[in-house]
Amino acid sequence: DTAVSQTPKYLVTQMGNDKSIKCEQNLGHDTMYWYKQDSKKFLKIMFSYNNKELIINETVPNRFSPKSPDKAHLNLHINSLELGDSAVYFCASSQASQGAGELFFGEGSRLTVL
Amino acid sequence: AQSVSQHNHHVILSEAASLELGCNYSYGGTVNLFWYVQYPGQHLQLLLKYFSGDPLVKGIKGFEAEFIKSKFSFNLRKPSVQWSDTAEYFCAVNERRALTFGSGTRLQVQP
Repeated sequence: DTAVSQTPKYLVTQMGNDKSIKCEQNLGHDTMYWYKQDSKKFLKIMFSYNNKELIINETVPNRFSPKSPDKAHLNLHINSLELGDSAVYFCASSQASQGAGELFFGEGSRLTVL
Repeated sequence: AQSVSQHNHHVILSEAASLELGCNYSYGGTVNLFWYVQYPGQHLQLLLKYFSGDPLVKGIKGFEAEFIKSKFSFNLRKPSVQWSDTAEYFCAVNERRALTFGSGTRLQVQP
C-alpha cells in the first residue's frame, strides 16, 4: 500500500494548457505539502495544507492553485502552463503534532511543458 | 527565514571510502534537522533525523550525523560507502511547519 501516491507520474503538455496533479495519503496525517524540484534538484516548498486549511503559500504564481477536498487529498491545478513550470512536483505529508517532523514523500510527478 | 547550505555539490568516492557531507543552517533556536536521500528516479526517503537529545544520530544503512549547535551544523557521515549509496542527499531544517531543504549533494560512488 503506497503511503503517499501521486497521479500522474509523467505529464507532457503544450504551453498554455491547464493540467492537474492529484495526491492522496493513507497515513492519517493532517498536513500535506507540494514541493517543486527543478532541473538542478533544488526543492522548494510551494504550498501546505493542514486539515484542509492553507497554511503555507510561498511566492508562487497564481496560475498554481492547490485544492484540498479533505485532509487525505491535496491536488494541484496549474493554468496557462509555461516552459518554466517544467519540473518534478512532489507531494508530501506529515503529522502536525510533530511540528514539521518527518515528511513522507510521494514518487513525484514529472511535468514537461513543450 | 531559515536557509540551509550544502557546500559539497558533487562528491565522487571509491567504494569503501569514508563520507562526510556538510550541512549548515542559518540561525539558532530550537530546530529539527533531517537528512533525506533520493536514489536515481525515486522519491525522497528519510535517512535520519535530529529532534533533541544525543547530538550523534544514527540512521538507516549505516549513516550517522552529528548536530553541533555552536557551528549550526549537521554533517552526514558514513565510514565506508558502497556503490548503492550513489544518490542525491538533502539536508533539511524545519521552519513554519514545513521543511526547508538545502540544494543537495550528488554522491557518486565508483566501484
